[in-house]
Amino acid sequence: GQNIDQPTEMTATEGAIVQINCTYQTSGFNGLFWYQQHAGEAPTFLSYNVLDGLEEKGRFSSFLSRSKGYSYLLLKELQMKDSASYLCASYGSGNTGKLIFGQGTTLQVKP
Amino acid sequence: GAGVSQSPSNKVTEKGKDVELRCDPISGHTALYWYRQSLGQGLEFLIYFQGNSAPDKSGLPSDRFSAERTGGSVSTLTIQRTQQEDSAVYLCASSSSGGATDTQYFGPGTRLTVL
Repeated sequence: GQNIDQPTEMTATEGAIVQINCTYQTSGFNGLFWYQQHAGEAPTFLSYNVLDGLEEKGRFSSFLSRSKGYSYLLLKELQMKDSASYLCASYGSGNTGKLIFGQGTTLQVKP
Repeated sequence: GAGVSQSPSNKVTEKGKDVELRCDPISGHTALYWYRQSLGQGLEFLIYFQGNSAPDKSGLPSDRFSAERTGGSVSTLTIQRTQQEDSAVYLCASSSSGGATDTQYFGPGTRLTVL
């Protein structure tokens, strides 16, 4: 089966660095996605990792360890606009198109 | 259009009424997906279309829910005899080919409120 876990809430200070963790258990792994969702808006794609290691994209980086079933999203130089929910997701087994999402981590950035 | 669009953006209905939600995917995307997001919850998969066919409809919660896609483009999600527990944001997404590594791009959603 598939199970994706991430913390429910996090708080960080403007200008700081925050790491949002995600652990997954999937019977067939095809990569891991991170999405950002501001309140009342649609999820927007941030990153996709299929190989082990760190992918850097501006202030945001995403890391994957397939052997540990673990990923994290690293946000640097936090800005107030980074306050949002961050969703970790992976495709289910088989090519069904079913993207399995974690519950999301709500990040609050404080001045 | 440039992105996924959905209509209406908000829908308020009375318990027992039928509703139709519409999704226009990104032009050229063959795969289309419907999800539901209840307040404070993660996204729940409903159904996946590849072209006009639905290889996976395992997430539809009951037979009151149905969806179709025509012309390999627009999709409609229909909820019959709505119940209060159907209140949620219904999100549509599309991807280029439906492959297991495809990035899904989401529309703005339809917020459904059943009174």
